[in-house]
Amino acid sequence: EVQLVESGGGLVKPGGSLRLSCAASGFTFSSYSMNWVRQAPGKGLEWVSSISSSSSYIYYADSVKGRFTISRDNAKNSLYLQMNSLRAEDTAVYYCGSGIQLWSTQVWDYWGQGTLVTVSS
Amino acid sequence: DIQMTQSPSSLSASVGDRVTITCRASQGISNSLAWYQQKPGKAPKLLLYAASRLESGVPSRFSGSGSGTDYTLTISSLQPEDFATYYCQQYYSTPPYTFGQGTKLEIK
Repeated sequence: EVQLVESGGGLVKPGGSLRLSCAASGFTFSSYSMNWVRQAPGKGLEWVSSISSSSSYIYYADSVKGRFTISRDNAKNSLYLQMNSLRAEDTAVYYCGSGIQLWSTQVWDYWGQGTLVTVSS
Repeated sequence: DIQMTQSPSSLSASVGDRVTITCRASQGISNSLAWYQQKPGKAPKLLLYAASRLESGVPSRFSGSGSGTDYTLTISSLQPEDFATYYCQQYYSTPPYTFGQGTKLEIK
């Protein structure tokens, strides 16, 4: 069974840092691109970042470019999002997702349950 | 970046109704469009991709159509479990991938 489990969320002060993790199981993690999508409280979905299977291709939304870093460890079946210089507007539930059944880098048929990041003083 | 305009933002309907949600892209996206359903406190669930291809396990009452810049999601006969928020997502070319602002489907 495919599972994506996010962790690492919490309360952080503006300007602080946080590292999110997404633990993958039930599929060959190293074969698939991975993505982070976030959702601010009561708001819509926002794509944050994508990373290809071998980390050769990495993309970021303009809203996080220069502050967030996506990475992965295929040996540990894990995806990460290092978030620095956090702002109040980064407050959101962060989901990891992938297009596993569809072999898609762009459409995501598996998602984690999300982890809440709250940026507040 | 490609902007997605989804309408309506909210919709009240009854069980058994046929409903349509529309998504318009700021430029042509060659059917590179997905639809997701999200229920409160849950992750999004993929319904359709490539504008009209039904994801495995999704009921056939869900359908998608469109071309160029204009796309629609239709639910042919609403069921109680369909009341949720729906999002379109374009994935034309390289990122950024963008979502519509969502349509909240509520029980009348």
